[in-house]
Amino acid sequence: KQEVTQIPAALSVPEGENLVLNCSFTDSAIYNLQWFRQDPGKGLTSLLLIQSSQREQTSGRLNASLDKSSGRSTLYIAASQPGDSATYLCAVRDGGATNKLIFGTGTLLAVQP
Amino acid sequence: GAGVSQSPSNKVTEKGKDVELRCDPISGHTALYWYRQSLGQGLEFLIYFQGNSAPDKSGLPSDRFSAERTGGSVSTLTIQRTQQEDSAVYLCASSLGTGGKLFFGSGTQLSVL
Repeated sequence: KQEVTQIPAALSVPEGENLVLNCSFTDSAIYNLQWFRQDPGKGLTSLLLIQSSQREQTSGRLNASLDKSSGRSTLYIAASQPGDSATYLCAVRDGGATNKLIFGTGTLLAVQP
Repeated sequence: GAGVSQSPSNKVTEKGKDVELRCDPISGHTALYWYRQSLGQGLEFLIYFQGNSAPDKSGLPSDRFSAERTGGSVSTLTIQRTQQEDSAVYLCASSLGTGGKLFFGSGTQLSVL
């Protein structure tokens, strides 16, 4: 059974710092991996999608990497801003027939001005 | 519409009553998912629809939960004889095909008193 873990559970950094969020999964037979952010009381916003054949994806100040063989992904945020404060979730799509996304429990990020 | 729309945004009900939650996916998206997010918990997969295929109901927690997707578009999640443990945010998401990015609605906050 696929399990997704995110470390740390919470992180507080001063504005301007670069930071890395970690995601690990137990079954490397994934179809793809997505990073989301969730603001309080809101739904999820997709940030980056990495296919199983890819190593990384970039969007603006965000860079996500994928090492499928070791079951790990990282989300790198450069030059953090207070507006980046949110919960960040990673989710893996199983490679089997179900196609469902299995979510981690998230990292709560606070960027202090 | 431009995004995934869910209604109602909030629902308060009494224990034992039935509730219906509605999801309007992005036009043209063939895949539709329901997830549940309890306070302080990760996202729990409930059910997945893809085109005209039989839905994946493997995440439904009990036979009190059911979902339909009419005409390949709008979906309704029904909870019969609600219990207090059903209180959660119910999130709907859609994607273009099975492997694409997921786009989430803002969710329905269900409170069972």
